Amino acid sequence: NAGVTQTPKFRILKIGQSMTLQCTQDMNHNYMYWYRQDPGMGLKLIYYSVGAGITDKGEVPNGYNVSRSTTEDFPLRLELAAPSQTSVYFCASRRGEGHSGEQFFGPGTRLTVL
Amino acid sequence: RKEVEQDPGPFNVPEGATVAFNCTYSNSASQSFFWYRQDCRKEPKLLMSVYSSGNEDGRFTAQLNRASQYISLLIRDSKLSDSATYLCVVIGPSGSARQLTFGSGTQLTVLP
Repeated sequence: NAGVTQTPKFRILKIGQSMTLQCTQDMNHNYMYWYRQDPGMGLKLIYYSVGAGITDKGEVPNGYNVSRSTTEDFPLRLELAAPSQTSVYFCASRRGEGHSGEQFFGPGTRLTVL
Repeated sequence: RKEVEQDPGPFNVPEGATVAFNCTYSNSASQSFFWYRQDCRKEPKLLMSVYSSGNEDGRFTAQLNRASQYISLLIRDSKLSDSATYLCVVIGPSGSARQLTFGSGTQLTVLP
């Protein structure tokens, strides 16, 4: 099993550009999450999904969109990139049965907006 | 008050020392608790779950104090390889995806 994979690993965007961060998990987990982590800070939840076709906003959703058409994939879309979106983005998945279950993280995407 | 709070540190300790971190949570009905470890520029990984009766895994001991609403992580005989950021995770009463909250992390550096 590959676990949670993310692409790309690194990206530099210009202000106003758009991009999609890809996230795939092969563990058949229901719950998937997108976090951002700014330097020296904790994880902030952007969006999450409890299953295919179901998504909801987290703590910091502005400037982002998500979709969940399959159990495996949970892409994060950045529209009109801004310097404030410079961060490391982590995707995670969890089996999602109540209180149990470890969260598994992808290796992250390091995004710089100039 | 933040939902989950941690002392950011940094904690700088010599090899072989014992070090302890606390993590406080605001919702008294929270149900599940975890410690994650994050190495520099890497993703977080589960270190251990925290059970009501306390649990131990080698040099690591996790405890839950419901009365005072905190969890703790004790590391004995610190190794250089223990240097990392330690994140606590609290899952709220419903166990829903939205109620999983990370602390901001405590940075540990073990010095030779």
